[in-house]
Amino acid sequence: AQKITQTQPGMFVQEKEAVTLDCTYDTSDPSYGLFWYKQPSSGEMIFLIYQGSYDQQNATEGRYSLNFQKARKSANLVISASQLGDSAMYFCAMREELTGGGNKLTFGTGTQLKVEL
Amino acid sequence: DTGVSQNPRHKITKRGQNVTFRCDPISEHNRLYWYRQTLGQGPEFLTYFQNEAQLEKSRLLSDRFSAERPKGSFSTLEIQRTEQGDSAMYLCASEKRQGDTGELFFGEGSRLTVL
Repeated sequence: AQKITQTQPGMFVQEKEAVTLDCTYDTSDPSYGLFWYKQPSSGEMIFLIYQGSYDQQNATEGRYSLNFQKARKSANLVISASQLGDSAMYFCAMREELTGGGNKLTFGTGTQLKVEL
Repeated sequence: DTGVSQNPRHKITKRGQNVTFRCDPISEHNRLYWYRQTLGQGPEFLTYFQNEAQLEKSRLLSDRFSAERPKGSFSTLEIQRTEQGDSAMYLCASEKRQGDTGELFFGEGSRLTVL
């Protein structure tokens, strides 16, 4: 079974600083995908970034980058130049393929990020 | 794209009543998912449709829960004889069949409170 662990229930960062949100995972599948989603107070889950297990380079999307360390089974999210609007809950998730090619995501418990002035 | 739409956004009901939630996915997405999220937890997979076919159901989906997607477009999730433990946010997500990464597009959820 797949498992995602996020050990930081809450994090604070000052505006314009960088912050790293931790994620470790466990799977026996040789092929997998890792995601980060942001959930603001409105409730919608917003896709941020994706890393495939065979991708040679770390994924980047604007101010978001994923620090993928396969041997350590970690997939930490780095947010550079934090903004007040980054305050939200952040979830790490792993993909598992379903019948017919669908994708089941297993989520961690999340990290609540608060950006301060 | 108008995004994934869910309604109602909030539902308060008494224990034992039936409730139904509706999800309208992004129009060209033929995969549709339901997840449940309780306080302080990440979303948990409930069920998945490809077009009108329900292909996977989690063991979390007891026999009081039923989901349909009759014409392969919108979907409904019905909970019969609600219990207080059903109180949660019910999230719907959709996906393009040919998506590269399996990125799911989520709606804003339907929050259920069972008194």
